[in-house]
Amino acid sequence: KQEVTQIPAALSVPEGENLVLNCSFTDSAIYNLQWFRQDPGKGLTSLLLIQSSQREQTSGRLNASLDKSSGRSTLYIAASQPGDSATYLCAVEGSNTGKLIFGQGTTLQVKP
Amino acid sequence: EAGVTQSPTHLIKTRGQQATLRCSPISGHTSVYWYQQALGLGLQFLLWYDEGEERNRGNFPPRFSGRQFPNYSSELNVNALELEDSALYLCASTPGPSNTEAFFGQGTRLTVV
Repeated sequence: KQEVTQIPAALSVPEGENLVLNCSFTDSAIYNLQWFRQDPGKGLTSLLLIQSSQREQTSGRLNASLDKSSGRSTLYIAASQPGDSATYLCAVEGSNTGKLIFGQGTTLQVKP
Repeated sequence: EAGVTQSPTHLIKTRGQQATLRCSPISGHTSVYWYQQALGLGLQFLLWYDEGEERNRGNFPPRFSGRQFPNYSSELNVNALELEDSALYLCASTPGPSNTEAFFGQGTRLTVV
């Protein structure tokens, strides 16, 4: 049974700092891994999708890496801003189930 | 281009009643997914519809059901509501079945009193 874990559960950093969020999964047989952002009480915003054959994806100040063999992914946020404050979720899709399995999220606070 | 839209935004029901939640996917997307986000339980997969057919369902009782219409919009029905059904219900869509980027709506907040 696939399980997804995100560490840390919460993180508070000063503005401008570079930071890394971690995601691990127990079953390496995944189709893809996706990172999302969720603001309080809102829906999810897709940040990056990494296919199983890829090692990393970049979008602006965000970079996500994937190491399938070790069951790990990291989301790197460069030069953090107060507007980055949100909960960040990673999710993996296994075989053709259409089901994303989510971690519990990392709640990030960036202080001005 | 419009994103995934869900209605209503908020819904308050009494225990034992039925709730109907609606979702319109991004234009051109044929797959629709439903997730439940209950406080402290994280996001749990409910249902997946593609081309009008139910393709997969999560570990939820049969009183959670839904359907997908010919225009690919979908509705989620929850019968015999229980207090524990109070949650944010999120709908997502993808261009086709699985292995593509999922786009989520803003959710419907269901409160059962």
